[in-house]
Amino acid sequence: EAGVAQSPRYKIIEKRQSVAFWCNPISGHATLYWYQQILGQGPKLLIQFQNNGVVDDSQLPKDRFSAERLKGVDSTLKIQPAKLEDSAVYLCASRGTDRQGMVYNEQFFGPGTRLTVL
Amino acid sequence: AQRVTQPEKLLSVFKGAPVELKCNYSYSGSPELFWYVQYSRQRLQLLLRHISRESIKGFTADLNKGETSFHLKKPFAQEEDSAMYYCALYNAGGTSYGKLTFGQGTILTVHP
Repeated sequence: EAGVAQSPRYKIIEKRQSVAFWCNPISGHATLYWYQQILGQGPKLLIQFQNNGVVDDSQLPKDRFSAERLKGVDSTLKIQPAKLEDSAVYLCASRGTDRQGMVYNEQFFGPGTRLTVL
Repeated sequence: AQRVTQPEKLLSVFKGAPVELKCNYSYSGSPELFWYVQYSRQRLQLLLRHISRESIKGFTADLNKGETSFHLKKPFAQEEDSAMYYCALYNAGGTSYGKLTFGQGTILTVHP
């Protein structure tokens, strides 16, 4: 099966500019996650979707970050305006179910988008 | 609140030597733990999970609830094991159901 797709792979912007990232999860996966990974740290969850609804966005800086998954398939994450401290790799992951409908706890990750804010 | 700690940022061993990557966790419920690995220029991928009690690429990890640890071990390290390793705790209940909390990661380097 095709893996989680993300674009762009790299983005360089200046502070106060806007940027958007796109993610297409594995086909049929209902749960989608966005993580922020700052250099030297582990991934930190920003937002979790179940189909097109938000399950957890408690760590999303809502004054500048937004995310949507309107049709319950692909998703976009936006930063507006960007700050220097937003420089990080943004990872998208998805989670699905097995043939019996049991939820896998394994998350499958995309390649990430490396954002540099100057 | 759940927390995962990997005390070693860097770990270097020689090929053929045993290796142990440490992971400690804090969680109020019954934990489900994973080890993820990221090889150079590849995406983050699952290495193993404690529920499966399996050995993957010669690695094993045992959950020790008394010591709240989930250390990753391999008796004979290989050069291809060089990678970044993350321990992760899965939240199986409450409002954060399905959330993974990651440790800071350990960079393992296996020298020839």
